[in-house]
Amino acid sequence: SQKIEQNSEALNIQEGKTATLTCNYTNYSPAYLQWYRQDPGRGPVFLLLIRENEKEKRKERLKVTFDTTLKQSLFHITASQPADSATYLCALESGSYIPTFGRGTSLIVHP
Amino acid sequence: DVKVTQSSRYLVKRTGEKVFLECVQDMDHENMFWYRQDPGLGLRLIYFSYDVKMKEKGDIPEGYSVSREKKERFSLILESASTNQTSMYLCAIDRGQGEDTEAFFGQGTRLTVV
Repeated sequence: SQKIEQNSEALNIQEGKTATLTCNYTNYSPAYLQWYRQDPGRGPVFLLLIRENEKEKRKERLKVTFDTTLKQSLFHITASQPADSATYLCALESGSYIPTFGRGTSLIVHP
Repeated sequence: DVKVTQSSRYLVKRTGEKVFLECVQDMDHENMFWYRQDPGLGLRLIYFSYDVKMKEKGDIPEGYSVSREKKERFSLILESASTNQTSMYLCAIDRGQGEDTEAFFGQGTRLTVV
């Protein structure tokens, strides 16, 4: 069966460090993968999209990698700040243009 | 600025009531989705629609129905609300053209069924 796995345990890091979140998937062949940020009580907000033929994508302090051999995406936030504290979701399209979401990983950045 | 507006932020309903959740978009996007989000379970797709009057079941359609009479409006209906439908409900839209589509979400409706 198809699975998208994100670490259910919260990631705690100190301000200024790089946060790295992982998204693993099985039984998908996605054309692209997306990352979203969700704050408590709010809907997710789109951050980045990376295509299957792209290895890496950057946007300001954010960097996403996509390894279709390992079936894994890594999401990095450099120079993290307390304001980056949120839940981060990865999403794959399942072949019919329907986004399917992972359960998300909570990031807590301590001052 | 994309606007996806859900009719209520918080809703409390009684068991057995018929409940309507409304979602309106101003982006002329084809695809509209209804998800529910529960702790530990993530976002689960209830129904989606790729055109007016078209609808498809998602992963958990039982106990729900939908209506899309106009392109900009997608309604989720709980025919007879039950306590296990207490959840956060999220409406989303996207362009429905494959690559480069990002989903835009509404602010969510926190529904409590008592």
